[in-house]
Amino acid sequence: GESVGLHLPTLSVQEGDNSIINCAYSNSASDYFIWYKQESGKGPQFIIDIRSNMDKRQGQRVTVLLNKTVKHLSLQIAATQPGDSAVYFCAERSGNTGKLIFGQGTTLQVKP
Amino acid sequence: ETGVTQSPTHLIKTRGQQVTLRCSSQSGHNTVSWYQQALGQGPQFIFQYYREEENGRGNFPPRFSGLQFPNYSSELNVNALELDDSALYLCASSLDRVDLAFFGPGTRLTVL
Repeated sequence: GESVGLHLPTLSVQEGDNSIINCAYSNSASDYFIWYKQESGKGPQFIIDIRSNMDKRQGQRVTVLLNKTVKHLSLQIAATQPGDSAVYFCAERSGNTGKLIFGQGTTLQVKP
Repeated sequence: ETGVTQSPTHLIKTRGQQVTLRCSSQSGHNTVSWYQQALGQGPQFIFQYYREEENGRGNFPPRFSGLQFPNYSSELNVNALELDDSALYLCASSLDRVDLAFFGPGTRLTVL
């Protein structure tokens, strides 16, 4: 079936280090990918997105890399801060309904 | 510009009851999608409404139904509640069907 998966359920990093969160997707026809951050008790918050015609996109302190050959997506967070602690989801868009397929999430823990 | 809002914040129901959850889309957005997020899981797509019509549905039974109003706000109705319906219900709005989805804070439903 459809699925978007993350490789690690929990990632623990030291404050100031760089974080890399990985995601594998299964639908090679997906054309749009999004990373969301979800803090406890809140809805998912948009971080960054990338279309399938791109390999890399940068935002403020975040970079998303897309490798279509192996169907892999990653989120890099530079100089990780305590406020980055949250669950991170990758999602892929399916078809023309805007339906998003989410993975199970990776919990990022930032140690002071 | 206001973001996506949802009501109520929390809700407790018993098996067999019916529930209605409400969502106000972000200003200027004509599309609303609903997701169910079980504890520790990623959100699962329930359905999408575009200009008051259903535009795509996930793998949910017919007892999950929805409605979108002329002002683009939306309702999610669940009949004959089951214990497994306990989850965070998320509403997301977007400018159009395939545009970036912005999520509300969710409604936490507990079925006893």
